[in-house]
Amino acid sequence: GQNIDQPTEMTATEGAIVQINCTYQTSGFNGLFWYQQHAGEAPTFLSYNVLDGLEEKGRFSSFLSRSKGYSYLLLKELQMKDSASYLCAVMDSNYQLIWGAGTKLIIKP
Amino acid sequence: DAMVIQNPRYQVTQFGKPVTLSCSQTLNHNVMYWYQQKSSQAPKLLFHYYDKDFNNEADTPDNFQSRRPNTSFCFLDIRSPGLGDAAMYLCATSRDTASSYEQYFGPGTRLTVT
Repeated sequence: GQNIDQPTEMTATEGAIVQINCTYQTSGFNGLFWYQQHAGEAPTFLSYNVLDGLEEKGRFSSFLSRSKGYSYLLLKELQMKDSASYLCAVMDSNYQLIWGAGTKLIIKP
Repeated sequence: DAMVIQNPRYQVTQFGKPVTLSCSQTLNHNVMYWYQQKSSQAPKLLFHYYDKDFNNEADTPDNFQSRRPNTSFCFLDIRSPGLGDAAMYLCATSRDTASSYEQYFGPGTRLTVT
């Protein structure tokens, strides 16, 4: 079966750096997405990786290793507004998006 | 601003009473999706339309139906809501189903079944 694994919850301090990991086993691979979802709101797109390596976008970076079935989202200079769930999603060989359950990130002052 | 709009934001219905949720988009995207999301769970794809072509997920119950009368609008009909259907329903669009196109989500409709 297809599977996306992420930690359920993480806690970090305002101003610090946090890395949220995602591992996947899917039928084929056509890219990996990270979405941010604040409580009670819709997911919003953060990043897309299809090739190995690091993609940087402001305070957020996303890394992919296809051979390891692994990605991480790196958040720097954490702000209180970064408290949210972070969802990892992989597009499989049928162009179906397989979603993880999300990692709830709690930021403390 | 181009966007995805869902109405209503909150919907309360009675057990077994049909309910319709609506979604509209001004992005002119080809693809529209309906997801069900329960608390602390991944979004679950119910079905999607590519233009007028309807694609149902194998495990979507028959209780859930959808209509897309034109490019801009898509509806989710729940024929006989059960208590287990209480969830957030998310509509999303994308330009295409191919890999690099991200999905744009509406704000969701939170459905309560009494």
